Amino acid sequence: NAGVMQNPRHLVRRRGQEARLRCSPMKGHSHVYWYRQLPEEGLKFMVYLQKENIIDESGMPKERFSAEFPKEGPSILRIQQVVRGDSAAYFCASSRGTQETQYFGPGTRLLVL
Amino acid sequence: DAKTTQPTSMDCAEGRAANLPCNHSTISGNEYVYWYRQIHSQGPQYIIHGLKNNETNEMASLIITEDRKSSTLILPHATLRDTAVYYCIVRDTGGGADGLTFGKGTHLIIQP
Repeated sequence: NAGVMQNPRHLVRRRGQEARLRCSPMKGHSHVYWYRQLPEEGLKFMVYLQKENIIDESGMPKERFSAEFPKEGPSILRIQQVVRGDSAAYFCASSRGTQETQYFGPGTRLLVL
Repeated sequence: DAKTTQPTSMDCAEGRAANLPCNHSTISGNEYVYWYRQIHSQGPQYIIHGLKNNETNEMASLIITEDRKSSTLILPHATLRDTAVYYCIVRDTGGGADGLTFGKGTHLIIQP
């Protein structure tokens, strides 16, 4: 049973470019969560989505960041006009339902030059 | 802010039991205690969770005090691969926001 999958595992962007991070939840999971871990810091919750709905985006930066979880396909975290401060590891987690155990993927490491 | 307090770091000899404490004195009745660990550069790994009773699975045991204000994660026979940062998380099950709040965790170092 495959776990949470994220791609790419590593992403390099220049300042001003767009970054798209993908997350495929575990089979049978319809809830997705995105977290960010800045260098030498802890994980911070960003956004919680169910299929086609954003449930909680209280941790998302107000500008340049967006997330979606379409009816078909993976969840996408999109960062427009990246800046050096966006360099971090971005982790996705999935669960079967609200308040169910969250299982994490291996992360995408974004480096902005 | 995290609702838990953990020691910054701990050492444990390989083969011994590693006991990781966590204080959560403000925990409320419908909040679970979850434990995750993060091995360097990897995604957090779920270990175990509980509400009020002690729990055991193939990875670890979780001992929760009767007043639920603290708990201990026990790795019964630590190996070098258990070196990681261990996070104790209090999680509300009452609906609404569902994001996990990670604190700084305990850096457990298993010594050969």
